[in-house]
Amino acid sequence: DTEVTQTPKHLVMGMTNKKSLKCEQHMGHRAMYWYKQKAKKPPELMFVYSYEKLSINESVPSRFSPECPNSSLLNLHLHALQPEDSALYLCASSHRGVGDEKLFFGSGTQLSVL
Amino acid sequence: AQKITQTQPGMFVQEKEAVTLDCTYDTSDQSYGLFWYKQPSSGEMIFLIYQGSYDEQNATEGRYSLNFQKARKSANLVISASQLGDSAMYFCAMRDDTGRRALTFGSGTRLQVQP
Repeated sequence: DTEVTQTPKHLVMGMTNKKSLKCEQHMGHRAMYWYKQKAKKPPELMFVYSYEKLSINESVPSRFSPECPNSSLLNLHLHALQPEDSALYLCASSHRGVGDEKLFFGSGTQLSVL
Repeated sequence: AQKITQTQPGMFVQEKEAVTLDCTYDTSDQSYGLFWYKQPSSGEMIFLIYQGSYDEQNATEGRYSLNFQKARKSANLVISASQLGDSAMYFCAMRDDTGRRALTFGSGTRLQVQP
């Protein structure tokens, strides 16, 4: 099983809503990532978890709150988002987060903030 | 700071022909990795090929090869015998092995394969 599964695939939310994005992998990977991708732009790193600990936060606004409950799961909690936060949110994982390891990506959650 | 540059916003290629997608990079690190990913309209980022900074031979994966010229800091992707299913966005990415160890992506090249 070489899949990273993201749910939901599409999400529409208002600026006062609270929602969560979920990412799951069963490859035994110990590094997990959240990327944000605006239309026609490259993915931009948001957070990295290594061995279930937050190792990188790319100065992401606090309205985005990551959580790694265990080594297979990664959540992104959303609260009071702005319309400019509308984007494709990609989750990825890698074995240990080092050197030549490729990242396995999910298909993403397309988020629209109204 | 690292920087990845892809100067071709869009490329066209005829089916069964080869195509080269350009990528240049800038880093002060001695140890780094270079990756190419494909992103079809479905959104998933698909790993294609990897080249380590100390690898002396160019990487190959099936129809994909990476033309690595370290002195020129370029890592071009060559796709041989293009297929219609190769139509997608292609991103070059770099990971530094000493600092953040997270991928930084170039702006991408949209490849369209014509029958």
